Amino acid sequence: GESVGLHLPTLSVQEGDNSIINCAYSNSASDYFIWYKQESGKGPQFIIDIRSNMDKRQGQRVTVLLNKTVKHLSLQIAATQPGDSAVYFCAEAHEIEDKIIFGKGTRLHILP
Amino acid sequence: NAGVTQTPKFQVLKTGQSMTLQCAQDMNHNSMYWYRQDPGMGLRLIYYSASEGTTDKGEVPNGYNVSRLNKREFSLRLESAAPSQTSVYFCASSEGKGGSTGELFFGEGSRLTVL
Repeated sequence: GESVGLHLPTLSVQEGDNSIINCAYSNSASDYFIWYKQESGKGPQFIIDIRSNMDKRQGQRVTVLLNKTVKHLSLQIAATQPGDSAVYFCAEAHEIEDKIIFGKGTRLHILP
Repeated sequence: NAGVTQTPKFQVLKTGQSMTLQCAQDMNHNSMYWYRQDPGMGLRLIYYSASEGTTDKGEVPNGYNVSRLNKREFSLRLESAAPSQTSVYFCASSEGKGGSTGELFFGEGSRLTVL
């Protein structure tokens, strides 16, 4: 079946540097892509989303890029801080459906 | 602001026992979801409910039943627990259809161990 996946399970980044977390998706019918952050012992929290008719969307310190040609999604975090340490999930959804399918997650480690 | 509340937070069961995980949201959301999270497997959708009175299967529904009791509450029942159901369970809600807004609000999770 079609699924959302991630390239790397763990990413280590120096504090202050930019982080880039990648995600590949296989369902070309997906309309909507979302990034979630999960801190230890907590439920996931919404970070940012992007619709399939967009290539880029910016939030506060975060940018999501969507490349539909190669079915690739990335989350860029600027000036990574210790509080950014977490597991990051990409997810895909369909406008006409109610379910959201998650990928397996990437753990982000911040090095001092 | 309570948001999404799950009970219990921890539970240990023996194989074959039954139990119900409770979930309630106070945000007047239409849609509610149950996910399970296993190491290396991410979050997998068990069941979801787009509105009061409706439920639909997700990716891994076998061994579970759900009830959308009212707009606020969505329970998950294990009729005969198996060790493979050892996991962390998350309830979530969203304002509208999941595809129209990806913003799910999650509870803190319920850690279930089946011996």
